[in-house]
Amino acid sequence: EDQVTQSPEALRLQEGESSSLNCSYTVSGLRGLFWYRQDPGKGPEFLFTLYSAGEEKEKERLKATLTKKESFLHITAPKPEDSATYLCAVQAGGSGQNFVFGPGTRLSVLP
Amino acid sequence: GAGVSQSPRYKVTKRGQDVTLRCDPISSHATLYWYQQALGQGPEFLTYFNYEAQPDKSGLPSDRFSAERPEGSISTLTIQRTEQRDSAMYRCASSLGAFNEQFFGPGTRLTVL
Repeated sequence: EDQVTQSPEALRLQEGESSSLNCSYTVSGLRGLFWYRQDPGKGPEFLFTLYSAGEEKEKERLKATLTKKESFLHITAPKPEDSATYLCAVQAGGSGQNFVFGPGTRLSVLP
Repeated sequence: GAGVSQSPRYKVTKRGQDVTLRCDPISSHATLYWYQQALGQGPEFLTYFNYEAQPDKSGLPSDRFSAERPEGSISTLTIQRTEQRDSAMYRCASSLGAFNEQFFGPGTRLTVL
């Protein structure tokens, strides 16, 4: 069964304090790994897609990396507006198209 | 449309009633997904459509749940004989194709009393 776990469950950072969020997955043939940001009361907002081990994507203070078993979302010098829940999702290979989401990491960046 | 829209945003119903939730995807998007999201959790897959075809219903919790997308655009999710455990946020997402990123709507918060 395809599974996604994320750690830590919650993370509090001071503004400017860099850190990383982890997404570990077990899937029968990874088609893609997706990172989303979700603000309270809103739907998830797409950030990145990673397709193969070794791939990296960057956007402003965020950088996502992928290995065969996990992905990291690195946050460099975060600002309070980066506070949100960060969700990871995998799409498995095969005939199905369903996505499996992790439970998310709740990030708080304090000024 | 400019984004994915869902209606109603909030629905309160009594146990045993039927409810229908609506999703209006981004107009150029072929693929549409329905998810259930509990508080503090990630979205959980229910079903998806490629245009009007519904290849995968494996995530629907029971046969009380059904979804349609008859003309390949707007979709509805119907829950018959609602139960308290059906209370959740129901989210719709659409994508250009099967393996593209998804764009989510604001969700419908369903409360079953």
